[in-house]
Amino acid sequence: GAGVSQSPSNKVTEKGKDVELRCDPISGHTALYWYRQSLGQGLEFLIYFQGNSAPDKSGLPSDRFSAERTGGSVSTLTIQRTQQEDSAVYLCASSLVASGPYNEQFFGPGTRLTVL
Amino acid sequence: GQNIDQPTEMTATEGAIVQINCTYQTSGFNGLFWYQQHAGEAPTFLSYNVLDGLEEKGRFSSFLSRSKGYSYLLLKELQMKDSASYLCAVNNAGNMLTFGGGTRLMVKP
Repeated sequence: GAGVSQSPSNKVTEKGKDVELRCDPISGHTALYWYRQSLGQGLEFLIYFQGNSAPDKSGLPSDRFSAERTGGSVSTLTIQRTQQEDSAVYLCASSLVASGPYNEQFFGPGTRLTVL
Repeated sequence: GQNIDQPTEMTATEGAIVQINCTYQTSGFNGLFWYQQHAGEAPTFLSYNVLDGLEEKGRFSSFLSRSKGYSYLLLKELQMKDSASYLCAVNNAGNMLTFGGGTRLMVKP
């Protein structure tokens, strides 16, 4: 079946503009995660959705960042008033279940965001 | 807090064996994952350890010692296509994955 998909694959924007990044998880996966990866760095956790529960937003770096997950499927990450330090690859992952030790996360190809 | 350390870069020769170490200090532990990430691509799952010991999967093996907060990924019979970043990630008690900074492996002929 289809894997995790993200759009757009690349986004170039000007400082101060808002951007929306989209993630389509694997069908049936209840957990969805957003990460940020700066050039040559590891993955930084941003936010996590599990079913209908309130999301874990503990990784969001500022109140300019927000995310929604509609109908338990598609998710949108919104960055308002973008700054140059927001430039990174934004990765989305989904997993079948989030409880229990083995929750292999399947990653999408990412959206490369460049803020000029 | 969460702290996961792994070397930034390693170089090895085609056909050789390389061991990538990962040490962790986390508030909880529900297993450790290794992911491979080629440049410009998404991370892909390699291995999972939750009990102490060695898990072998073809040319790749992963070891875990929970008492030492230590894991390693062992790559045998290195191939050029193994040049990639290798990410160590710990599933803490909250079922979140905390990632290390990744180890960039360069395989040379």
